[in-house]
Amino acid sequence: GAVVSQHPSWVICKSGTSVKIECRSLDFQATTMFWYRQFPKQSLMLMATSNEGSKATYEQGVEKDKFLINHASLTLSTLTVTSAHPEDSSFYICSARDRGEAQPQHFGDGTRLSIL
Amino acid sequence: GQNIDQPTEMTATEGAIVQINCTYQTSGFNGLFWYQQHAGEAPTFLSYNVLDGLEEKGRFSSFLSRSKGYSYLLLKELQMKDSASYLCAVVDSNYQLIWGAGTKLIIKP
Repeated sequence: GAVVSQHPSWVICKSGTSVKIECRSLDFQATTMFWYRQFPKQSLMLMATSNEGSKATYEQGVEKDKFLINHASLTLSTLTVTSAHPEDSSFYICSARDRGEAQPQHFGDGTRLSIL
Repeated sequence: GQNIDQPTEMTATEGAIVQINCTYQTSGFNGLFWYQQHAGEAPTFLSYNVLDGLEEKGRFSSFLSRSKGYSYLLLKELQMKDSASYLCAVVDSNYQLIWGAGTKLIIKP
């Protein structure tokens, strides 16, 4: 149980392109989803927390106009990197948490984004 | 401030036992998670402790002492595939998950 699907796994695109990443909880309803970014050999960095039906809460330093998050249903959250540039190249990982604030987060497989 | 400390890197031998420690100072406590993350992959959930004591799950065990702000992850019968980073994360009083920087475990034959 507790499977989270993230798509796509890899994206390579030109600078200025907008990229959409999907995160789905397959066998549970995720009232809360999280978006992380991880640079090589560095720790996970929480970008934003997304609650179904409400606006995402962004961490300090994360541009909400650049990283658009939509959590339209209990099983789907999307992250759109708008007008991506090479410095946005990173490993983006979503996680989903079942009902209950002390439940574990279950992670998708991540999306490796490379902006040329 | 909130702080989670774990060793940056550890080395152990295949077949042996290793203990990865985690100490925390957080505003409140609502549980502690351990995750495993292989290089280039997303983290996977290993264990959750909210009460004091030892939780055993196969070759992996996790211990918690709330009074000491301390946890450890114990890995037995180490296998080469256990080479990974191990992340300690604490749920604070606001139910925010505070992540440690992770311990890179290197297993040698």
